[in-house]
Amino acid sequence: QVQLVQSGAEVKKPGASVKVSCKASGYTFTTYFIHWVRQAPGQRLEWLGWINPGNGNTKYSQKFQGRVTFTKDTSASTAYMELSSLTSEDTAGYFCAREVGWSHFDYWGQGTLVTVSS
Amino acid sequence: DIVMTQSPDSLAVSLGERATINCKSSQSVLYRSNKKNYLAWYQQKPGQPPKLLTYWASAREPGVPDRFSGSGSGRDFTLTISSLQADDVAVYYCHQYYSDPRTFGQGTNVEIK
Repeated sequence: QVQLVQSGAEVKKPGASVKVSCKASGYTFTTYFIHWVRQAPGQRLEWLGWINPGNGNTKYSQKFQGRVTFTKDTSASTAYMELSSLTSEDTAGYFCAREVGWSHFDYWGQGTLVTVSS
Repeated sequence: DIVMTQSPDSLAVSLGERATINCKSSQSVLYRSNKKNYLAWYQQKPGQPPKLLTYWASAREPGVPDRFSGSGSGRDFTLTISSLQADDVAVYYCHQYYSDPRTFGQGTNVEIK
């Protein structure tokens, strides 16, 4: 069965970077885009962008452009999201999600809580 | 960016009664060439990721109970829970995938009256 399993919770200081992983199983990793979405406490879901695991192409939300980087390790069927120059506003749950074609997200990771605090 | 606005923000419904959630997009999410509405609904329970309920505005994801139905076209959409069950207590989000950046509604909290 399809699964996306994310890395564990992180606590970071302001100005630091965080890297979250998303390991896919149960399907061919290179054939579905992976999107990253975050949810700050009490806030709506916020899209960060996507990576095409087939060729490594990426697209980032303008809001995070220059601060976020998506990468992948095809041999490990794992996608990564790195966010730099963290502030308290980046405290949120971060989710990876699989996209069906140019369409909806059918499977989601369990989420990774990133807390930014001095 | 396409702004998604849901109403109401919160909804209390008696068990077995109908719950209706509305979602309006700031521009049409109907792609004329294939006549598809690029709109999905998700359910999220505390501590869990969102769960897909419907996509293309009205297609139900396999395994989702048939009491959940999506409707609408263009800019106006509705998620209906025909007979609310205790397990349906959650926050519901609409989501447009018509264009990047993908955007979500602010969520509607559904609880039992």
